[in-house]
Amino acid sequence: GAVVSQHPSWVICKSGTSVKIECRSLDFQATTMFWYRQFPKQSLMLMATSNEGSKATYEQGVEKDKFLINHASLTLSTLTVTSAHPEDSSFYICSARETGGSFYGYTFGSGTRLTVV
Amino acid sequence: GNSVTQMEGPVTLSEEAFLTINCTYTATGYPSLFWYVQYPGEGLQLLLKATKADDKGSNKGFEATYRKETTSFHLEKGSVQVSDSAVYFCALSKGPGDYKLSFGAGTTVTVRA
Repeated sequence: GAVVSQHPSWVICKSGTSVKIECRSLDFQATTMFWYRQFPKQSLMLMATSNEGSKATYEQGVEKDKFLINHASLTLSTLTVTSAHPEDSSFYICSARETGGSFYGYTFGSGTRLTVV
Repeated sequence: GNSVTQMEGPVTLSEEAFLTINCTYTATGYPSLFWYVQYPGEGLQLLLKATKADDKGSNKGFEATYRKETTSFHLEKGSVQVSDSAVYFCALSKGPGDYKLSFGAGTTVTVRA
């Protein structure tokens, strides 16, 4: 079945540095990918919708300059947390929808645990 | 806007017990409803779905029925196994043309042998 690889699975970085998280669809093309953030014991909150070849659509309250999203190919979307601070520590999850596939064909990555110290 | 309210956990059960996780939603129109499961160390997987009122989704012994009159989509399994230990998320989407998913808070289920 469809597989989405998310890398890294965990990262620790110093405050003020930037961190890039990759989300790859391994065996299908994904025009649309989604980035979520999950706080402990809380729901997944959609941060942005990533569209191949165009600008991402950010949800209300998400800083586009802080969370840079690039979807340069049909199999790769990246999320860069710029100038990270401790409050950015969270679990980030991506999902991809297969181009032309079933409306219900969302595939999720395994998530990235970001800790900013 | 759309929202999902899910029974809070954690839930701890003995093997072969009956499991129910309540889920209610708020949405305009006729959303599609989903249950996702996240096993330890893994990504979310679609467990089952229902796209219209009175539809019943089922998979791996789990069932959920789309009840529009009560705006609910409760998850049930008649006899749980240790391997069912996971976090379960209820979710909805507006339907074709709007691919965003709104998730509930998740319910952690632990099944003891």
